[in-house]
Amino acid sequence: DTGVSQDPRHKITKRGQNVTFRCDPISEHNRLYWYRQTLGQGPEFLTYFQNEAQLEKSRLLSDRFSAERPKGSFSTLEIQRTEQGDSAMYLCASSLSRATKNIQYFGAGTRLSVL
Amino acid sequence: GENVEQHPSTLSVQEGDSAVIKCTYSDSASNYFPWYKQELGKGPQLIIDIRSNVGEKKDQRIAVTLNKTAKHFSLHITETQPEDSAVYFCAASRNSGGSNYKLTFGKGTLLTVNP
Repeated sequence: DTGVSQDPRHKITKRGQNVTFRCDPISEHNRLYWYRQTLGQGPEFLTYFQNEAQLEKSRLLSDRFSAERPKGSFSTLEIQRTEQGDSAMYLCASSLSRATKNIQYFGAGTRLSVL
Repeated sequence: GENVEQHPSTLSVQEGDSAVIKCTYSDSASNYFPWYKQELGKGPQLIIDIRSNVGEKKDQRIAVTLNKTAKHFSLHITETQPEDSAVYFCAASRNSGGSNYKLTFGKGTLLTVNP
């Protein structure tokens, strides 16, 4: 069990550019979540996958955001035409639906800075 | 939707003292309440959790209590140590069939343990 892995750890981009983040969940975890955390706040839910199916998207996830989990393993989160307001820590978590409590394990996050 | 309030936002204690962090939630259907610890530059790590069919749970120096009627839950850390210094988040979710198990977090408490 190597934990949830996120890449890159840091991303600096200019406004208007596209960025893509990757999350590798804990092996065999079938549920995967994306959260966004801004300074001084708790993580906020963005979207959720069970296997390869994206089952819910928060209203926080504008049309510029898209997430995929093509084979039910790793996931990508893409932000198109980045804005300064997108600057935040993007956290990925995974869990196992067969477990009794659905504990979510978090990665270290990708910190995005939009200049 | 669910709303989680957390107090205090900052807490400073002397090493060896106890620390208490309190949260309230709004959705009576929430039935799972985890607490996460987040250190600088890292993702949230689960430290203890409680389900709604239990009133109290303890794990060494950490305990959590839940009052379903009042929709309150609290984290208690005894014999605090400098390494307990971090940001602590409470969260709530519905963990049952058909739900998405998303976590709604409080805004966090910055705990500082002074040696």
